[in-house]
Amino acid sequence: EVQLVESGGGLVQPGGSLRLSCAASGFTFTNYWMHWVRQAPGKGLVWVSRINYDGSSRNYADSVKGRFIISRDNAKNTLYLQMSSLRGEDTAVYYCVRDSTPFNWGQGTLVTVSS
Amino acid sequence: QSVLTQPPSVSGAPGQRVTISCTGSSSNIGAGFDVHWYHHLPGAAPKLLIYGNINRPSGVPDRFSGSKSDTSASLAITGLQAEDEADYYCQSYDRSLSGWVFGGGTKVTVL
Repeated sequence: EVQLVESGGGLVQPGGSLRLSCAASGFTFTNYWMHWVRQAPGKGLVWVSRINYDGSSRNYADSVKGRFIISRDNAKNTLYLQMSSLRGEDTAVYYCVRDSTPFNWGQGTLVTVSS
Repeated sequence: QSVLTQPPSVSGAPGQRVTISCTGSSSNIGAGFDVHWYHHLPGAAPKLLIYGNINRPSGVPDRFSGSKSDTSASLAITGLQAEDEADYYCQSYDRSLSGWVFGGGTKVTVL
């Protein structure tokens, strides 16, 4: 069974940093592109970033470019999102998603940016 | 605002048919990229309803169907049931953004 488990969320002050992790199991992690998607309170789903199989190709939404870094450790079957210069508008539930139908999603981890 | 445009809400009585539109552009849906649809409840992970424009994953009732034409796509729900109350999102890929794009979401209410 495919499982994606996010962790690392929490309360952080504006301007601070946080690293999210997504532990993958039940499939060959290195065979798939992976994504981060977020949902701010009361808002819709928004794509954040994606990474290819070996980490050599990465893309970001304009809203996070230059502040967030996506990475992966295939030996640990783990996806990461390093977030820095955090702003209030980054407050959201962050989901990791496997890029292959049925597009398995984790349960999400909540990031709250507030002083 | 979202790259893909959906109506904020639709409603219908039990047993009725409702449709949700998803309008994009020549850099996403119009460029031939697939459209996928999700059912989402608060606190839960989004659940895939339709993939590749028209396909249903195993376990999704045939009351749900998808279609695509030019720069738009639609999700139809027939035989509306109370359990269908949720938010629904369309998703595609955008070649200008080199990433996924989502609609703003449509809240379905069963009257």
